[in-house]
Amino acid sequence: EIVLTQSPGTLSLSPGERATLSCRASQSVPSNYLAWFQQKPGQAPRLLISDASSRATGIADRFSGSGSGTDFTLTISRLDPEDFAVYYCQQYATSPLTFGGGTKLEIK
Amino acid sequence: QVQLVESGGGVVQPGGSLRLSCAASGVTLTNYGMHWVRKAPGKGLEWVALLRYDGINKYYADSVKGRFTISRDDSKNTLYLQMNSLRTDDTAVYYCAKASGWLADSWGQGTLVTVSS
Repeated sequence: EIVLTQSPGTLSLSPGERATLSCRASQSVPSNYLAWFQQKPGQAPRLLISDASSRATGIADRFSGSGSGTDFTLTISRLDPEDFAVYYCQQYATSPLTFGGGTKLEIK
Repeated sequence: QVQLVESGGGVVQPGGSLRLSCAASGVTLTNYGMHWVRKAPGKGLEWVALLRYDGINKYYADSVKGRFTISRDDSKNTLYLQMNSLRTDDTAVYYCAKASGWLADSWGQGTLVTVSS
């Protein structure tokens, strides 16, 4: 099983600032099949990034994903008030599919 | 436009059973795999099960293997999750999601399952 560790657990920033979220895998993720999801309270998760760096349809270009192998990053270039939420990484390369524990992005 | 609507959640006693449904529109389930994912209160997302597009190959998280069964009814374009021998730690919001390959790219709004005596 591929274990994903996200850091930090909580990130406190202000609108307009840059956010950098990390996701580290216990072993290399095949084909870099790594996704990022955003979830707000009471809502379903929303796909942001697939294949480590491909933005999903309709996702603002301030969201970008990078990395390969075991180290991945989600960057939000300039935080909008609507971006404050919980972010999860997920590997979808092998079963069992696994999620990281999440990073809560909160308003400072 | 893909729409996924879950139903069937509710309150059940430990050891009981429940069947969740996920009605799909805007997509034909025989062309896509489908996931169930859950979120327990105060915890993160947990993948539960995957049914491949062929309707035959199924994969489960260890935490539900032998207790939960994923299936679909092609005539109703509906996905199911049969949950038996429920435990208190199965309490969660359960989401279905359409899979492109194994990527969960469209999600329903979820249905709440509470296991409590």
